[in-house]
Amino acid sequence: NAGVTQTPKFRILKIGQSMTLQCAQDMNHNYMYWYRQDPGMGLKLIYYSVGAGITDKGEVPNGYNVSRSTTEDFPLRLELAAPSQTSVYFCASSYSSWGSGSYEQYFGPGTRLTVT
Amino acid sequence: LAKTTQPISMDSYEGQEVNITCSHNNIATNDYITWYQQFPSQGPRFIIQGYKTKVTNEVASLFIPADRKSSTLSLPRVSLSDTAVYYCLVGAGTASKLTFGTGTRLQVTL
Repeated sequence: NAGVTQTPKFRILKIGQSMTLQCAQDMNHNYMYWYRQDPGMGLKLIYYSVGAGITDKGEVPNGYNVSRSTTEDFPLRLELAAPSQTSVYFCASSYSSWGSGSYEQYFGPGTRLTVT
Repeated sequence: LAKTTQPISMDSYEGQEVNITCSHNNIATNDYITWYQQFPSQGPRFIIQGYKTKVTNEVASLFIPADRKSSTLSLPRVSLSDTAVYYCLVGAGTASKLTFGTGTRLQVTL
């Protein structure tokens, strides 16, 4: 049981390039989340998904896109990378929805992205 | 989610009990209180959640007074490996409002 896995671990992008951050979980969780964490700050929600085919925006969705074609995978797409997107990106999953009485999310190891 | 206030940082010696208090004056009736721990270069890890009174697990205890306007995470006999950032989250709202604040940076030394 690998939990939540993310690839790549590190990436450097040039301004204007695009890339996809991969996230997969093997716990059969319906709910998945993408966060970004800037240096010395807390985590901010980018997008989340309540199941295959269903996604919704979080607090900071601009500049990102997501899709959820399977229960296991939740990739995050960056189009036209900008220096402001330099951050650490965390993917998470949970068995139940936030607000249902259980608030336990399982996080991946993160992807450190630098845009120059 | 309800707004929360935590100390920015705390220091402790190994073997001591550490209590981190979180203020949440605007907590709603159906809000739960949740704590996460984050080590450097790792994603946050769920520690404990509670609604009222006291909750205890193998890692920590969570104390919630009757008015629920604050809560205290208690870590018994901390070790160097407990050095981390601790986040308090309060809310039962939708996931779209999820935000981890800056948390409390706990430094444990010998």
